[in-house]
Amino acid sequence: DARVTQTPRHKVTEMGQEVTMRCQPILGHNTVFWYRQTMMQGLELLAYFRNRAPLDDSGMPKDRFSAEMPDATLATLKIQPSEPRDSAVYFCASGFEQSSYNSPLHFGNGTRLTVT
Amino acid sequence: GQNIDQPTEMTATEGAIVQINCTYQTSGFNGLFWYQQHAGEAPTFLSYNVLDGLEEKGRFSSFLSRSKGYSYLLLKELQMKDSASYLCAVIGRDDKIIFGKGTRLHILP
Repeated sequence: DARVTQTPRHKVTEMGQEVTMRCQPILGHNTVFWYRQTMMQGLELLAYFRNRAPLDDSGMPKDRFSAEMPDATLATLKIQPSEPRDSAVYFCASGFEQSSYNSPLHFGNGTRLTVT
Repeated sequence: GQNIDQPTEMTATEGAIVQINCTYQTSGFNGLFWYQQHAGEAPTFLSYNVLDGLEEKGRFSSFLSRSKGYSYLLLKELQMKDSASYLCAVIGRDDKIIFGKGTRLHILP
């Protein structure tokens, strides 16, 4: 059963430290999304890629966040330096270029980040 | 800009029917998803609409009116396991997928 894999599942770090989150999309999917979820804001889109090219990263604080796809099997989201307000669950999701009933967005299990 | 509105919370009784509404304003429209998310878990796909009308799938149905920027998710014969958050998401220009804040549904016995 194909699934999106995210690591780590949980991360606790101190303010100022670098955090790297990784995502392995489902093989064959060509779009990858990064979302951040908090109780107050819900699922916020941070960035997304099509065929490894970034299409929109306007949802990310540019001074501290960066998202890349070094290859088709790996997407990374980095925060440097991290701040307590970055504490949230970060979801990666993958899909096909044209979403449909037969090709919805599939989510990983998320990385729960706590910055103290 | 893009905006998606859903009620924050709803409560319904086991065995009953509930309708969760979603209104949206987006740049471009290429479809609408509904997802279910149980506490502490990832969102899972429920339904997809791109044309006006009703899509039925077991106990769940989803409706879309593109001219009104409106969709609803209808859940019938509610079960306790349906207690979850329900997320409306719009596929906009360039396949950009934006989610609403979700509706927390509480089911009472």
